[in-house]
Order: sequence, then structure tokens, then C-alpha cells
Amino acid sequence: DAGITQSPRHKVTETGTPVTLRCHQTENHRYMYWYRQDPGHGLRLIHYSYGVKDTDKGEVSDGYSVSRSKTEDFLLTLESATSSQTSVYFCAISAVSSGNTIYFGEGSWLTVV
Amino acid sequence: DQQVKQNSPSLSVQEGRISILNCDYTNSMFDYFLWYKKYPAEGPTFLISISSIKDKNEDGRFTVFLNKSAKHLSLHIVPSQPGDSAVYFCAAGTTQGGSEKLVFGKGMKLTVNP
Repeated sequence: DAGITQSPRHKVTETGTPVTLRCHQTENHRYMYWYRQDPGHGLRLIHYSYGVKDTDKGEVSDGYSVSRSKTEDFLLTLESATSSQTSVYFCAISAVSSGNTIYFGEGSWLTVV
Repeated sequence: DQQVKQNSPSLSVQEGRISILNCDYTNSMFDYFLWYKKYPAEGPTFLISISSIKDKNEDGRFTVFLNKSAKHLSLHIVPSQPGDSAVYFCAAGTTQGGSEKLVFGKGMKLTVNP
């Protein structure tokens, strides 16, 4: 158990509506990540955080924003959901910046209709 | 351009036999590698890793082999068990870069038949 809780675990939303996914960790790790997993693409990084209020873009950041106001919480927001954002979203954490294992949460399944 | 490739999308083996999952990479700067296992409706879980200073790392039934000259790594599972049936992802990164630069393969589905 990596001490990561994602919410909601499942959500169906309509195109054009805003959606926020929450990642909460109990490990006090500095680094947090949001990935999406899609068939044929594996795991792709959306955004990451290297500390409170410190975030940066990943490989597929368009259409997403993030915020980290506390060490334990990392929020992913879809400002205006599109069908292409239907996916499984995984939060991950790591204790150090590099050369280390990252640990994943259980995932949030998002369907945009 | 895929930097980490898992060229076989699936593998089926009999219980008790060896499972060999392959992964190729193109970036010679990668110097540490990880394998994750993912069950349906769950998040990926870390399985085993290897640094480029080694060519083999073993943990119970799982062994990862690294061939730097061929830019190839493989995961061996011996003996395979039905509970090993899952999707396996390999990932590669550099100790000079951050973990945000980890690159994942597309995954390979392993089915172990009883």
C-alpha cells in the first residue's frame, strides 16, 4: 500500500464541464505526478509537482491544470472536459527526484460523454 | 518516437513454465529501469528494478536482465503462476534527470494458464 488515495474513483461527466480529480498521500513525499493510461499508449505524464506550489508540465498537459497547496494533496483539473480526455488517471508519488521508484495510486476512471 | 518499446502486446504461458517479457530502449542515457505489474481496475505496482551498473537483479521468482550493448532488458518469471496474469510495463529513466522523465512502454499482457 503506497499511501495514496484518489477520488473520485469513477466519474461520468458531460463534454464542456469542469472536472477535478484529487490525489491524497500520507507518505509526506515531495514529488507527485499525474499520469493517464490509454490503450496503445501506456502511461503518459500529464503534470508533476516537486513541492508545494511547484508544478510543471508533462508530455500531455494540454487541457489540464494542477494545483498543490499542501504536501499531501495534488489536484488535477480538466477545465472543460472533452471526449478525448476519457481515460484512466493515475496519481503517483516518489520520495526523491530521480533514480528512485515511483508508486501509483489505484486510479480514477473518467468518462466524458 | 518511442524510446521504450514492448514489441509483443501479449504472451500466454502454462503454469509452472518460464515467462519472458522483453523491453527495448533507444536512449543510451537511460541508466535505471523498472518493471511494474498492473491488474485490471488497479494501479500499477512496482515489481523490480535494475541499475545500469548491474546486468542482473533477482527477487524471488522475478529476475530482470539488462543487456546495455543491445539496449534490451527482459523480465523472467519462474515458475509462472496464474496470479501473475496481468499487464506488465517496463520503464526507463536517468539518474541525472528527474523521475518525471521516466518513460514507459505500452505494456504487455501476460496470461498464465492453469
